[in-house]
Amino acid sequence: SQTIHQWPATLVQPVGSPLSLECTVEGTSNPNLYWYRQAAGRGLQLLFYSVGIGQISSEVPQNLSASRPQDRQFILSSKKLLLSDSGFYLCASRRSMNTEAFFGQGTRLTVV
Amino acid sequence: GQQLNQSPQSMFIQEGEDVSMNCTSSSIFNTWLWYKQEPGEGPVLLIALYKAGELTSNGRLTAQFGITRKDSFLNISASIPSDVGIYFCAGPWDSGGSNYKLTFGKGTLLTVNP
Repeated sequence: SQTIHQWPATLVQPVGSPLSLECTVEGTSNPNLYWYRQAAGRGLQLLFYSVGIGQISSEVPQNLSASRPQDRQFILSSKKLLLSDSGFYLCASRRSMNTEAFFGQGTRLTVV
Repeated sequence: GQQLNQSPQSMFIQEGEDVSMNCTSSSIFNTWLWYKQEPGEGPVLLIALYKAGELTSNGRLTAQFGITRKDSFLNISASIPSDVGIYFCAGPWDSGGSNYKLTFGKGTLLTVNP
């Protein structure tokens, strides 16, 4: 089965600082990868998804970007964080289009 | 875009009661997934459904893939305190072959009183 590693688990960053969250996947190759944000413990908002190295699709305009430099590595970034970027960020992986997704443990980001 | 309507938004029940929640979509799904999330953790897959009409159980949990492929329900029988959490339905949106997007319902917050 797949294992999704996310780090850090928690992060407190000042407004205007940069961000880099990393997600790595074990147990599969060429997965579809996803970044979700969850606010106030409810609702998963899809931010980005990737079907292959260097291929990124953005779902909502925002202050964030994503990159996939390697097959099983997915990075979420920001050049300058906003207060509204606070939330719980989740990385997910799927083997193919019609299989279940597995999640990492998430990163709790607080922008102060 | 694809929308999933999940209900109820929250439930407060007594231990031992049965629970039922459902999701409906405006588009056809090829897969329905049900997840449970506990505070501070990522969602954990409970049940995956791949075929219209499919009924699948996982212990006290039972889920069904609606025949129209636009709905699914999850039942929990004889609830216990550890069932507390947020339950999500999810599915890849089948839009003519482009079903990479995995869309989630807004969740059902379940509270079980001992």
